[in-house]
Amino acid sequence: DAGVTQSPTHLIKTRGQQVTLRCSPKSGHDTVSWYQQALGQGPQFIFQYYEEEERQRGNFPDRFSGHQFPNYSSELNVNALLLGDSALYLCASSSGPRSTYEQYFGPGTRLTVT
Amino acid sequence: AQSVAQPEDQVNVAEGNPLTVKCTYSVSGNPYLFWYVQYPNRGLQFLLKYITGDNLVKGSYGFEAEFNKSQTSFHLKKPSALVSDSALYFCALSGAGSYQLTFGKGTKLSVIP
Repeated sequence: DAGVTQSPTHLIKTRGQQVTLRCSPKSGHDTVSWYQQALGQGPQFIFQYYEEEERQRGNFPDRFSGHQFPNYSSELNVNALLLGDSALYLCASSSGPRSTYEQYFGPGTRLTVT
Repeated sequence: AQSVAQPEDQVNVAEGNPLTVKCTYSVSGNPYLFWYVQYPNRGLQFLLKYITGDNLVKGSYGFEAEFNKSQTSFHLKKPSALVSDSALYFCALSGAGSYQLTFGKGTKLSVIP
């Protein structure tokens, strides 16, 4: 049973560039959430997708956008990269959008902005 | 707004001794509480959750957590620590009507042989 997978593992970008991160949910899951984890901090919620729609958004600017595909996989796009966007980006999936469901996390994508 | 506090950045415990990692929370309405563990260069692994019912929740790897509504706490416990328990532990919170998980800053647990 495949868990949550993310690609790429590591990424180095320059300020002002755009980046796309990808996530495949755990088998049987239809809900995907994205988190940003800065060094030494807990994950911060970016947004959640269910039925190909953004269900809730955290306190992140519009430079952060996403998409969910019919097969439940998801992408996170970040435009106009800033140095402060350097972080570990975590994707999590669950078997529904309910707040009582536990989320299963992927290994993350380490983004470095220079 | 909902928030989680983990008052200890680091907890050191000798192997075989009981361990406790503390967590307090703030939310309007009923809390849904979770514990996750993160090993170096890895994602987060789910340990246990409290939704409703019995205040003592049992989870993976011998961990358990006690929900205390009056103290708004959800401390993680284990009767006998293993060296392999050394990792970063996160307490997380969601509430009714909110899809997001709010995490604490994390507590680094070091189990000393």
